[in-house]
Formats: sequence, C-alpha cells, structure tokens
Amino acid sequence: LAKTTQPISMDSYEGQEVNITCSHNNIATNDYITWYQQFPSQGPRFIIQGYKTKVTNEVASLFIPADRKSSTLSLPRVSLSDTAVYYCLVVPNQGGKLIFGQGTELSVKP
Amino acid sequence: ETGVTQTPRHLVMGMTNKKSLKCEQHLGHNAMYWYKQSAKKPLELMFVYSLEERVENNSVPSRFSPECPNSSHLFLHLHTLQPEDSALYLCASSQDSGTGLGYTFGSGTRLTVV
Repeated sequence: LAKTTQPISMDSYEGQEVNITCSHNNIATNDYITWYQQFPSQGPRFIIQGYKTKVTNEVASLFIPADRKSSTLSLPRVSLSDTAVYYCLVVPNQGGKLIFGQGTELSVKP
Repeated sequence: ETGVTQTPRHLVMGMTNKKSLKCEQHLGHNAMYWYKQSAKKPLELMFVYSLEERVENNSVPSRFSPECPNSSHLFLHLHTLQPEDSALYLCASSQDSGTGLGYTFGSGTRLTVV
C-alpha cells in the first residue's frame, strides 16, 4: 500500500483558501487518491477523489500532477466549520482497503 | 445521518462487563468494517466482513468478538476489556471489500472502560 505524507497541522483564517498537499511517492498505476474529512467524535466523511489532473466538486478541488506522486486538496474560502482533520489516502481500485494515516489537523480562526 | 447508524453513541463499561456495539446500514453495501480510533491516533482497521463472512482480522485481541448476521448488520461484542481499549469505535460499509473506494462511516461509539 502506498504510504502518504501530509502536514500534521495547519492554521488558517476565515475566508482564506487552504491548500493541503500530500505526497505519495509509491503510488501504483491502479491507485486512486481520496480525501476524507473528520470532525471530533464523528466518523470520516468522503470529500473528493481523483486519479489525475483536476477534480472539482461543491466542497473542494483536487489537483494531481502528471507524475501523481503528490496531490493538493484545495478548500476555497474556509469557514470556522471547516476545522477538522483531513486525511489523504491512496486507495487501490482492486484488492485493497482503506488505511488511514495521521491526517492534517486544520484549524480555522475568525 | 450518513446511512450507517451506530448504537449506542456513548458507552461506559467496567472491565468485567459484557456489552455489544451495533452497526446498521441500508445502503445495499456488501462489505462492513470495524475501525478503532484512540485519542490522537489514526484509525486502525480491526475487522473486515464481506457478504457476512469475516475476511480480515488485524491481530485484534479475542476480547473483541465481531458478528455479522446479515449484510445490513454488524456487531462488536466486548468482554473483559482493559482501560486502554477506551476509544472511538467506527463502523463503515462499502459496496465491495475488494476495493478501497466508496466507504461510508457511521458516527461511532465512544467507549470508556473503567
């Protein structure tokens, strides 16, 4: 399973754009990149998933360069309610399971 | 609600007690999972069930006993637990255990062992 590395914590202010970068140097051809969000005392919630280039949904954007060895989750104009832990995961399309790392603890301040 | 419901939300039990955690999903998923999350630690995968059969047990102590009577329900039976077993226990489901895609998590059971 590809290992991921992301910052342990980040601080931001309301209204700012937040970019969280994750490195996954050993990503395999069939692996997808998936991000989850977890609030305290709740289960993780799926945010976004991509394979290459750029993916955008109503919550976030995911940027993946051509070599796929890293990815960046972009949260536009964060609010206090975006304070959470964000997990970057590399998930196999086949024969795998969801394995979590430490995640990035994002703190949004007023 | 995410589609995966866990009960109870909070549980306090003594080390000699026996209790059970319940997870229910009506998403039509075929795979269900138990994860443990201790304070300030990553989620740890405990058990994987696919079509009601246990397909993975990640070296979990026998004081944790899972049960999957059908594809919609998953239980975690607890007995003679230790204080270090206090954690958030999360249930998840997915369409297929053979891929890491499409997991839905419940809100978890906060377990405190005294």
